Amino acid sequence: EVQLVESGGGLVQPGGSLRLSCVASGFIFKTYWMTWVRQAPGKGREWVASIKEDGSDKYYVDSVKGRFTISKDNAKDSVFLEMNSLRAEDTAVYYCARRRSGDGWTVDYWGRGTLVTVSS
Amino acid sequence: IVMTQSPLSLPVTPGEPASISCRSSQSLLYSNGNNYLDWYLQKPGQSPQLLIYLASNRASGVPDRFSGSGSGTDFTLKISRVEAEDVGVYYCMQAVYIPLTFGGGTRVEIK
Repeated sequence: EVQLVESGGGLVQPGGSLRLSCVASGFIFKTYWMTWVRQAPGKGREWVASIKEDGSDKYYVDSVKGRFTISKDNAKDSVFLEMNSLRAEDTAVYYCARRRSGDGWTVDYWGRGTLVTVSS
Repeated sequence: IVMTQSPLSLPVTPGEPASISCRSSQSLLYSNGNNYLDWYLQKPGQSPQLLIYLASNRASGVPDRFSGSGSGTDFTLKISRVEAEDVGVYYCMQAVYIPLTFGGGTRVEIK
C-alpha cells in the first residue's frame, strides 16, 4: 500500500524558515517524481514544486522561487521542502504527492498534509 | 492556465446522478491526442484521491459509477448514482503545463 506521511509543519514567524519532510512507503521511491501541493485556508489548491526521480530536475511555482527548495533522498525514501523567508500568504496545509508514472503530471497518491502557519 | 469549476456546491440525493463541470482557459488537448485533465476527491478527514486521469480514465479502485468526459477546454465528471460515501470536495486539475493548476472545487453533500 502506497503511503506518504508529511511532518515538520508548525507555527513560524514571518521571515522565518521551516523544513517539511515526507516519508514514502509501499513503492519504489527512486523511480518516481514527487510533488508538493498546498491549500491555504478558504482557498483553492496550489501546486508548489516537483522534483525528478533522481533529483536532477526541479520545478517551482513563481511565488516560491528563490525561497523554497525541494529535494529528495532516495536512500531514505523521503522528499523535503525547505521553506525560507516565509510570508503570511504561505500559510497552508502542505501535501506531499507522487506523480503518476507515464504521461502528464497526474498525481496519483497524496499524503494527509501538514499545516504551516506563518504569523507573528 | 485558469481552471473554472461549477457548481461551487452540489446537494445530491442518494441514487440520483450528479455532474460537475470544469473549464480550462487553454486547451488541454495535446498533440498526442490526450486530454490532460484529472479529477480528484477529498473526502472529509482523508487524503485527496485520484478519480480520473487523462479526462476519462478511471484510476485503480475507483467505482465505475464515476466517469469523465470532455476534450479541449470543457470537461465533465459524472456520478451515475450518488452514494453517501461520495460526499466531499471534487477538484479538477490540468496536468499538461507547469505550473499545474486546479479548479476551485465543488462540494458535494447529501440533501
